[in-house]
Amino acid sequence: DSGVTQTPKHLITATGQRVTLRCSPRSGDLSVYWYQQSLDQGLQFLIQYYNGEERAKGNILERFSAQQFPDLHSELNLSSLELGDSALYFCASSVGFFRPASEQYFGPGTRLTVT
Amino acid sequence: TQLLEQSPQFLSIQEGENLTVYCNSSSVFSSLQWYRQEPGEGPVLLVTVVTGGEVKKLKRLTFQFGDARKDSSLHITAAQPGDTGLYLCAGQSGAGSYQLTFGKGTKLSVIP
Repeated sequence: DSGVTQTPKHLITATGQRVTLRCSPRSGDLSVYWYQQSLDQGLQFLIQYYNGEERAKGNILERFSAQQFPDLHSELNLSSLELGDSALYFCASSVGFFRPASEQYFGPGTRLTVT
Repeated sequence: TQLLEQSPQFLSIQEGENLTVYCNSSSVFSSLQWYRQEPGEGPVLLVTVVTGGEVKKLKRLTFQFGDARKDSSLHITAAQPGDTGLYLCAGQSGAGSYQLTFGKGTKLSVIP
C-alpha cells in the first residue's frame, strides 16, 4: 500500500459526459501528479500540483482540468468525453522538490471506460 | 521531448534464469526510477538511482545508472515466478518540475 488513495476504482460513462477523479496523497506529501496510461501510449504525464499551485503541464487536453485543494487532495476533471479517453488514470505524490530526486508513489488508479 | 526506450518489450524465461532489461535515452536525467506494475494496479517504486555509474542492489535485483546518466539497466538473478510483471523505467529531468518520463515497459513472464 503506497498510502495514495484514488476514487473511484472503476468508472463507466458515455461519450460527451463529464467525470471527476479524486486523489488523496500520502500524508506529508505536497506534490500531486496525474498520469494517463493507455495500451498504445504507455504512462503519460498530465499535470502536477505543488501545495495548491499548478507546477507543470504535460500532454493534457484542454477538455481536462485539475486542481489541488487546501487539504492537498486533488481532483482531475474530464469533460466532453470521447472513446479515446478510456484509460487508466493514476495519481502519484511526492514530498516536494528535493534535488536530486523526488520519488513518486502511485495510487491504485481509476479505470475509465467511455462507451 | 525526452524519450526512454526499453528493451526487450517482452521477455519469457524459465524459473532460475538470469535476465537483463535495458532503458536507454539520448537525454540526460537527474535521476532514474524503476517501477514494477501488476495488471490493473499502480506502479510500485523499486529503486531510484541518482549518480552516474551508481549500482544499487535489492535482493536478487541489481540496478545500474550509466556514467552519462542517459541509460540504466535492471538485472535479475535466478528469476522466480513472483518476479512476473511489467517493469518500467522513468526519468526525471529535474528542470524545475519532477514529472516522470516513462519507457513503454518490459513485460516479464517467469515460467515455473
